Amino acid sequence: QVTLKESGPGILQPSQTLSLTCTFSGFSLSTYGMGVGWIRQPSGKGLEWLANIWWDDDKYYNPSLKNRLTISKDTSNNQAFLKITNVDTADTATYYCARINDNNSYYFDYWGQGVMVTVSS
Amino acid sequence: DIQMTQTPSSMPASLGERVTISCRASQGISNYLNWYQQKPDGTIKPLIYYTSNLQSGVPSRFSGSGSGTDYSLTISSLEPEDFAMYYCQQYDSSPNTFGAGTKLELK
Repeated sequence: QVTLKESGPGILQPSQTLSLTCTFSGFSLSTYGMGVGWIRQPSGKGLEWLANIWWDDDKYYNPSLKNRLTISKDTSNNQAFLKITNVDTADTATYYCARINDNNSYYFDYWGQGVMVTVSS
Repeated sequence: DIQMTQTPSSMPASLGERVTISCRASQGISNYLNWYQQKPDGTIKPLIYYTSNLQSGVPSRFSGSGSGTDYSLTISSLEPEDFAMYYCQQYDSSPNTFGAGTKLELK
């Protein structure tokens, strides 16, 4: 059974660095074709893809935020991470991690429940 | 970036009704189009991948079609659990982008 769960600080101040963790089970990020993506959703708005990391440590970022994003993984502990530097109020959102199984097709086939992050002074 | 225009933004509908949600890309996306459902509690699940492939466990009343720039999601007969938000996603080019969503509401 595949599960993912996001964790984060809840609230942080402008200019700080947001660190998010995705802890998953039921698959391994060392398996060929597996990936984890991060997607966010401001309250009442749509979905925005942020970044993906793949089994071979390949990384892809949304260019609109690329300079602020760092994605990484800890395969042995089944975790993926996302850091966003220099946050401001526009980064207030629910952040989701999701699995991609590229052996089938490119889509997010399992999602976490999301973690709400508020940026406020 | 490829823009995904999803219509309508909201749709009142009745139980048992057949509904279609549309998604238009700003350029051709070669069928690289997925559909997701989001429930009010925030839970997101995939429905359709690569235009027309039904995700395992998703009821057969859901179907997808399209080509080029125009794609659609059809629900053949609405059930109570189908009232939710729906999003399309293109992955033809990076960054992959989502439509703004369609809220399916009970009439």
